[in-house]
Amino acid sequence: EPEVTQTPSHQVTQMGQEVILRCVPISNHLYFYWYRQILGQKVEFLVSFYNNEISEKSEIFDDQFSVERPDGSNFTLKIRSTKLEDSAMYFCASSDREGLWQPQHFGDGTRLSIL
Amino acid sequence: DQQVKQNSPSLSVQEGRISILNCDYTNSMFDYFLWYKKYPAEGPTFLISISSIKDKNEDGRFTVFLNKSAKHLSLHIVPSQPGDSAVYFCAASGRFGNEKLTFGTGTRLTIIP
Repeated sequence: EPEVTQTPSHQVTQMGQEVILRCVPISNHLYFYWYRQILGQKVEFLVSFYNNEISEKSEIFDDQFSVERPDGSNFTLKIRSTKLEDSAMYFCASSDREGLWQPQHFGDGTRLSIL
Repeated sequence: DQQVKQNSPSLSVQEGRISILNCDYTNSMFDYFLWYKKYPAEGPTFLISISSIKDKNEDGRFTVFLNKSAKHLSLHIVPSQPGDSAVYFCAASGRFGNEKLTFGTGTRLTIIP
């Protein structure tokens, strides 16, 4: 069964450094998302992306965050200057909305640790 | 922001019995409801969904019930198996499939052999 893949599985970065999290969504999917889960908290929406532009973003997704689909397969989340509170699990998801409503499918996540 | 709530952080059920996980929501604009299962070190795995125009959806051992007037949904797992031990998240979205998901805090289900 096709799946969403994320790399790296764990990223350790010094505070203030830039970090790029990578995702390869399911190949025929059209909608792409980033969510995060801070330890002990719920999964929170960050941003959705369709047709090479952001569809919706949350309050968390401030100017330090950006997303890009640099080619036909990858979908990246960049945090420009990381803060301690950015430490979390980051999940990429994708969905195919052709025809009927479709659920979002998630990758296994990247654990981001900011020191 | 407590639009989707799972009030039971944990649940233990004997193998072979029924597991019932509950979820409440407050936003009347939600149109689709989903259940995800999550093992440690893995991402959420889609289990089953239900549209707001239905009150029940069944897939094998999993059944989701929706009570719109009470803004309540539940996931029934029958019979429960040891592999069902995981964290279960309830999530909701608007009517368009590309809309964001709003998650509950999760319920850790433990199946006792």
